[in-house]
Amino acid sequence: ETGVTQTPRHLVMGMTNKKSLKCEQHLGHNAMYWYKQSAKKPLELMFVYNFKEQTENNSVPSRFSPECPNSSHLFLHLHTLQPEDSALYLCASSQALGQNEQPQHFGDGTRLSIL
Amino acid sequence: AQKITQTQPGMFVQEKEAVTLDCTYDTSDQSYGLFWYKQPSSGEMIFLIYQGSYDEQNATEGRYSLNFQKARKSANLVISASQLGDSAMYFCAMSPIQGAQKLVFGQGTRLTINP
Repeated sequence: ETGVTQTPRHLVMGMTNKKSLKCEQHLGHNAMYWYKQSAKKPLELMFVYNFKEQTENNSVPSRFSPECPNSSHLFLHLHTLQPEDSALYLCASSQALGQNEQPQHFGDGTRLSIL
Repeated sequence: AQKITQTQPGMFVQEKEAVTLDCTYDTSDQSYGLFWYKQPSSGEMIFLIYQGSYDEQNATEGRYSLNFQKARKSANLVISASQLGDSAMYFCAMSPIQGAQKLVFGQGTRLTINP
C-alpha cells in the first residue's frame, strides 16, 4: 500500500469543465510535488511545495492551479484544459527541501483524458 | 541545467539473468544525487536506489546495484537474478544536493523479463 494516495485514478473531462486532483501523503513529509507524465516524454516537474509554501512553478500554464492547505494534502485544480493536457499526473512527497538525499515517494497517479 | 539520457528504449532479458540499464547525465553542479525508479503498469513510481556524487562506493540495495562512474558521467543500474516481476519501465533521475530537490528524469527503459 502506497504512502501517497491520489484520487481519482482516472478522470475524463471536457475542455470547459472544472475538476480537481487530490493527493494525500501519510509519511510525515513536508515537501510535495506535482509531475506530468505524457506519452513518450520524460516526467516533467510542475510544482513544488515545502511546508505548505510554493517554492517552484515550472512555467506551468495558469489553467493548472495548485493548492497545499497543509503538509499532508496537495490539490491540482483544473479548468479550461486543452487536449495536450491529457497525461498521467503524479504526486510525490519527500522529507523536506534541503534533504535532497531522501527519495521522493510517488502516488499511483491520476490518468487524465481531455475530450 | 541538468540532463539525463537513457539510450535503451527497450530491453528483453531471460529470467534469472543479470541486466544493466544505462544512464548518462550532464550537469554543472559539483554535488548531486542520482536516483533510479521503477514504474510498473499500475503507474506508481517506486524508488529503487540512490547514489550521491560524493559517494566513493557504488550503492547497493538487495538485487539492485548502481555502477557509478563519475568521470564518464554514467550511473547504470544493475539488476541481478532478474525476476518476472521486474518487468516495468525504469527511470534514471538526478537532483542537485543543494537547494530544491528538482528531479530531472530520463526517457526511461522498458524492461521485459521472459520466462
